[in-house]
Amino acid sequence: DAGITQSPRHKVTETGTPVTLRCHQTENHRYMYWYRQDPGHGLRLIHYSYGVKDTDKGEVSDGYSVSRSKTEDFLLTLESATSSQTSVYFCAISQAYDLPMTSTDTQYFGPGTRLTVL
Amino acid sequence: GEDVEQSLFLSVREGDSSVINCTYTDSSSTYLYWYKQEPGAGLQLLTYIFSNMDMKQDQRLTVLLNKKDKHLSLRIADTQTGDSAIYFCAVRGNYGQNFVFGPGTRLSVLP
Repeated sequence: DAGITQSPRHKVTETGTPVTLRCHQTENHRYMYWYRQDPGHGLRLIHYSYGVKDTDKGEVSDGYSVSRSKTEDFLLTLESATSSQTSVYFCAISQAYDLPMTSTDTQYFGPGTRLTVL
Repeated sequence: GEDVEQSLFLSVREGDSSVINCTYTDSSSTYLYWYKQEPGAGLQLLTYIFSNMDMKQDQRLTVLLNKKDKHLSLRIADTQTGDSAIYFCAVRGNYGQNFVFGPGTRLSVLP
C-alpha cells in the first residue's frame, strides 16, 4: 500500500469552529488531492496540489482552503465548519501529470477522515 | 464537464458472475479505472484500461470498454462474499490529472 496517512481519523465539531485535516505521504509524489465522499455523489474533488505551494480548486471548493508547505503534507482547512460539510474526507496522491499510454499511474488513497459537524 | 454514471446497487448470489456498468460522457477520456472500497476504508485500485483497448482480463476480473457507446463494465467471475463492497468507476483524459468518479455501485453478495 502507498504510504498515506490522514489525521485525525474521526472528528466531531460544532458549527462555526475551524477544522484542519492533515494528509501525510511518504511516497514523494508530486500531486495530492482532497476529496469528499457523500452517499449518491461518489467522490468530489475539493482542492488539489501540483507541487509545494501550488494548489488549485476542484469541483466543490467553497468553504475550504488548502496549504502545502512541504511535499509530504497537504492540509485541508474548514475556516468555519457547517453541517453541510459533514462527510468523509479522502486524501489521494499521484505521481505524474502527462503520461504515456503505457503508464499505469493512478491515484492512491488514504484511509479517510470522518468529520461530523453538529 | 465529464459526467460518470453508475447504478447504485447490485445484488448477486455467491458463485454467480457480477457485472457492474459505468457510462461516461467525454469521448476524450483516455484512462478508465475501477476502484473497490470496503467498509471504513479508502479506495483501492482494482484494475484499469486504456482507451485503445477493448478488453482486459485480470484473474476473476474482466473489463470491457465500448468506446462508441462510452460504456465501461466490470465483470467479476465466481463472486464471493469478500467481493461485497462499493465499486467506483473513474475516468480521466490524456491532459490533466483530475479524475472524475462515478457515484459508486454497492455490490451485495448473498450466500
